[in-house]
Amino acid sequence: NAGVMQNPRHLVRRRGQEARLRCSPMKGHSHVYWYRQLPEEGLKFMVYLQKENIIDESGMPKERFSAEFPKEGPSILRIQQVVRGDSAAYFCASGTSGRDEQYFGPGTRLTVT
Amino acid sequence: EDQVTQSPEALRLQEGESSSLNCSYTVSGLRGLFWYRQDPGKGPEFLFTLYSAGEEKEKERLKATLTKKESFLHITAPKPEDSATYLCAVQAVGQAGTALIFGKGTTLSVSS
Repeated sequence: NAGVMQNPRHLVRRRGQEARLRCSPMKGHSHVYWYRQLPEEGLKFMVYLQKENIIDESGMPKERFSAEFPKEGPSILRIQQVVRGDSAAYFCASGTSGRDEQYFGPGTRLTVT
Repeated sequence: EDQVTQSPEALRLQEGESSSLNCSYTVSGLRGLFWYRQDPGKGPEFLFTLYSAGEEKEKERLKATLTKKESFLHITAPKPEDSATYLCAVQAVGQAGTALIFGKGTTLSVSS
């Protein structure tokens, strides 16, 4: 499967726990974007990364959220001390230099109980 | 503030009944406008990129057009399998990253 992969597809966490969401970009893509889709809301940009660099984190909440894209392995979106308001679908997209379109993964549905 | 507004929020069509979806945008400088399709429980699927006013792109029963203030997604003789939420997004010139700014989408239902 050459598409964007995300896991887990569904994640349930209790308030105060940590959530780790993983994203593997399409083969040949070196740009990763994270978006969040709240119920009844549109997709909102969170962060844009290239290998080992955060390029734009203007949409990332200031506290509890962090992202990385290491030299080896998938990109990770980490949410510490989750609250109910973090319940949403989190989508990863990938892209490549010279092309503007972004290709999305199937998403991770996070539920905080 | 860069903004994307889609209308209508929901659209019900009979099979074969052509229509158009609207995407109006306000952006400091347009780098590109994108259309995606999203099925329930899935990620958005890329459809088209448009860059300049007057540009058109086609794919099967879908045609996207662009003006300086809005884009239209025309659906000709739709089929039930065209039922989905259609998302419009813009990229602004000059941003450090290439974040997409999305509208809330138009949910299309096509009945046979």
